[in-house]
Amino acid sequence: SQKIEQNSEALNIQEGKTATLTCNYTNYSPAYLQWYRQDPGRGPVFLLLIRENEKEKRKERLKVTFDTTLKQSLFHITASQPADSATYLCAPTGTASKLTFGTGTRLQVTL
Amino acid sequence: DTEVTQTPKHLVMGMTNKKSLKCEQHMGHRAMYWYKQKAKKPPELMFVYSYEKLSINESVPSRFSPECPNSSLLNLHLHALQPEDSALYLCATKKGDTYNEQFFGPGTRLTVL
Repeated sequence: SQKIEQNSEALNIQEGKTATLTCNYTNYSPAYLQWYRQDPGRGPVFLLLIRENEKEKRKERLKVTFDTTLKQSLFHITASQPADSATYLCAPTGTASKLTFGTGTRLQVTL
Repeated sequence: DTEVTQTPKHLVMGMTNKKSLKCEQHMGHRAMYWYKQKAKKPPELMFVYSYEKLSINESVPSRFSPECPNSSLLNLHLHALQPEDSALYLCATKKGDTYNEQFFGPGTRLTVL
């Protein structure tokens, strides 16, 4: 069955450093992959979408890569700030009609 | 207007009650979703409506009954729920059938006593 795994432990990093979050998937071939941010008690907010024929996508301090051979996406936040603290969800998706989220990674950025 | 609104924010109900959750959007999006999220878990898809027709039901128990009365509204009718149904219920919308992002509402925190 399809499986989507993200860093199971919380990721703690110091302000100003680069945070790197991992999303690994098995048993399917997504046409695209999305990343969302979720704050406690709130709905997820879309951050970036990358398609299977794209290797890398950037938006301000965010960068995402998509390696269909490794079945992995990496999500980077450069110059991280305490306001970046949240749970980050990846969603590799093979069909336009539904999203299946990964387990999520909780990021904590400290001063 | 790029907002998805959900009411109520919080709901407490007994196992014999009937209640409804409401979701509203005015972005002209034609795909609407219900998700259930338990603590420390990712959102799990429940239902998908496409152009006001139910297109996906992820084997959700019949005590949850979705309804899409028009292109702006999505309801989730609740009846005879169990305590394990307590969760954050999220509504989301998407522009059509393409590979676009989903816009989520703030959710309704449901507690079943």
